[in-house]
Amino acid sequence: DSGVTQTPKHLITATGQRVTLRCSPRSGDLSVYWYQQSLDQGLQFLIQYYNGEERAKGNILERFSAQQFPDLHSELNLSSLELGDSALYFCASSPFAATYNEQFFGPGTRLTVL
Amino acid sequence: GESVGLHLPTLSVQEGDNSIINCAYSNSASDYFIWYKQESGKGPQFIIDIRSNMDKRQGQRVTVLLNKTVKHLSLQIAATQPGDSAVYFCAETQGAQKLVFGQGTRLTINP
Repeated sequence: DSGVTQTPKHLITATGQRVTLRCSPRSGDLSVYWYQQSLDQGLQFLIQYYNGEERAKGNILERFSAQQFPDLHSELNLSSLELGDSALYFCASSPFAATYNEQFFGPGTRLTVL
Repeated sequence: GESVGLHLPTLSVQEGDNSIINCAYSNSASDYFIWYKQESGKGPQFIIDIRSNMDKRQGQRVTVLLNKTVKHLSLQIAATQPGDSAVYFCAETQGAQKLVFGQGTRLTINP
């Protein structure tokens, strides 16, 4: 157990809908990272927040957005969902802003868009 | 470019043998590399990391080798055990801001 929690574990929805994925980092970790893992793209970095502020952005679509709250939990919002958005979404956390250290991954949320 | 690739998508080894998983990276400016292990149904788990000012780093039963000349990274697992069965990802940092992951190698252990 990494100490990172993600909810829900599974999510099934329809095209065009909007969903919110939630992540609670390890106690004391200030950075939260979001990743998308699909069969054809592997693990893709989406976005990083550090202490409430956006720090780095990866291949995140404009339909996706995230935020980190004062209690350091984070939410990833996915809107206007398409079939291709079906994937595993992982959250990871670490104590620091820079990526020169281990990230602790949660168990993931499996999103299925029908 | 931002590609991190793997030479072999699958690797099958005998229990007790050593495993070597290879990874090629394309960004010569990358200065930090990391290996993760992902078991079925779980999130990636850290194995070992290495900075670009090092050629080799050892952990418990694992060794990472970095060859910057040919932009190649490898993970060696000694005395492979059934619990080592997983997908292994290499990743590199670019500007200390994000990790770029390779596609992964699936390691299977034959009894």
